Amino acid sequence: QKEVEQNSGPLSVPEGAIASLNCTYSDRGSQSFFWYRQYSGKSPELIMFIYSNGDKEDGRFTAQLNKASQYVSLLIRDSQPSDSATYLCAVNWGGNTPLVFGKGTRLSVIA
Amino acid sequence: SAVISQKPSRDICQRGTSLTIQCQVDSQVTMMFWYRQQPGQSLTLIATANQGSEATYESGFVIDKFPISRPNLTFSTLTVSNMSPEDSSIYLCSFGLQPPTQYFGPGTRLTVL
Repeated sequence: QKEVEQNSGPLSVPEGAIASLNCTYSDRGSQSFFWYRQYSGKSPELIMFIYSNGDKEDGRFTAQLNKASQYVSLLIRDSQPSDSATYLCAVNWGGNTPLVFGKGTRLSVIA
Repeated sequence: SAVISQKPSRDICQRGTSLTIQCQVDSQVTMMFWYRQQPGQSLTLIATANQGSEATYESGFVIDKFPISRPNLTFSTLTVSNMSPEDSSIYLCSFGLQPPTQYFGPGTRLTVL
């Protein structure tokens, strides 16, 4: 069974702080890892993807991957109230294979 | 990235009827996927649709209930047949691009009474 686990939250952080979102996955064959942001009533929006161990930075967002620990995380620096959303972790098996999603973590950034 | 659209954006349907959802991409893509998101839940894959071949369904989803067409590389439809209230969900199509990643359409919010 291919599973992706996330803490459902809510995770509350003050404005300007670092939000840390975590995700674990069960299948060691997983190749690609994705973070999506979903606002209420909207479809998921791709934030970042990562394939290799280590860190990948894009603006205020940093994705971290540790394949040995089967762990992927997303850091959001200088969190803003507009970052308040559900963050979905997803994995696939490389190429354009389907995604398996976690249940999502709800983030609330308090002004 | 390519632009993906879905129609209708939302609908309210009666039990026992069927609804066909259309998904259009503005560039040619090989793989398209249909997902369902039930209220308060995450996304679950329904099926993978490749042009020129029958869709591949995930466990728990069957062709008679969710027939899919993929007539060309820019278009796909998903039909939700013989609907019941349990089919009330958001239905999302997605496609893959290089580097391998996936983008989602805006979704179709279906309510079955």
